[in-house]
Amino acid sequence: IAGITQAPTSQILAAGRRMTLRCTQDMRHNAMYWYRQDLGLGLRLIHYSNTAGTTGKGEVPDGYSVSRANTDDFPLTLASAVPSQTSVYFCASSGRAGAGDTQYFGPGTRLTVL
Amino acid sequence: GQNIDQPTEMTATEGAIVQINCTYQTSGFNGLFWYQQHAGEAPTFLSYNVLDGLEETGRFSSFLSRSKGYSYLLLKELQMKDSASYLCASMDSNYQLIWGAGTKLIIKP
Repeated sequence: IAGITQAPTSQILAAGRRMTLRCTQDMRHNAMYWYRQDLGLGLRLIHYSNTAGTTGKGEVPDGYSVSRANTDDFPLTLASAVPSQTSVYFCASSGRAGAGDTQYFGPGTRLTVL
Repeated sequence: GQNIDQPTEMTATEGAIVQINCTYQTSGFNGLFWYQQHAGEAPTFLSYNVLDGLEETGRFSSFLSRSKGYSYLLLKELQMKDSASYLCASMDSNYQLIWGAGTKLIIKP
């Protein structure tokens, strides 16, 4: 069982380019999340999905979009990358979006926008 | 507003005990999580508290006081592999996690 996989592991991107970060889980979890992690700051929620077919905005959604066509996949797209989007991006999933439900994290994607 | 506070960095000695504190203020409360994150890796789940009191799992224990908006993570018999960042997160009324910036724990021999 792989758990959660993310691709690519790292990427250097020119500003203005479009980029999709991939996230796939094999745990049949209903809820999925995208976070960014920056030095000195806590994990910040970008977008989430409580179940396939639905998505919601987190704390820092601007410049990002997501889709949830099926249970397993939750891609994050940067339509036109900017340097402030340089960060480490983590995808996570939980059985459901409910009290006490543990979130499990993928290995992360380190993105640099120049 | 929502806020999670924890110390930026702590240093402890191998074999000793260390307590990492966390105070939280969130819109609603559905429990307090602790995660461990080694440098360059993903966060991994350590503990969850929703009721007041102490939860113990091996060398790690976590305490919660809901009336004080306070939690701590207690690590006993410290090992070098415990050098990592420890993240405190409160689950709010929308079942979303609000994260602290993390406490970097340095273990010295």
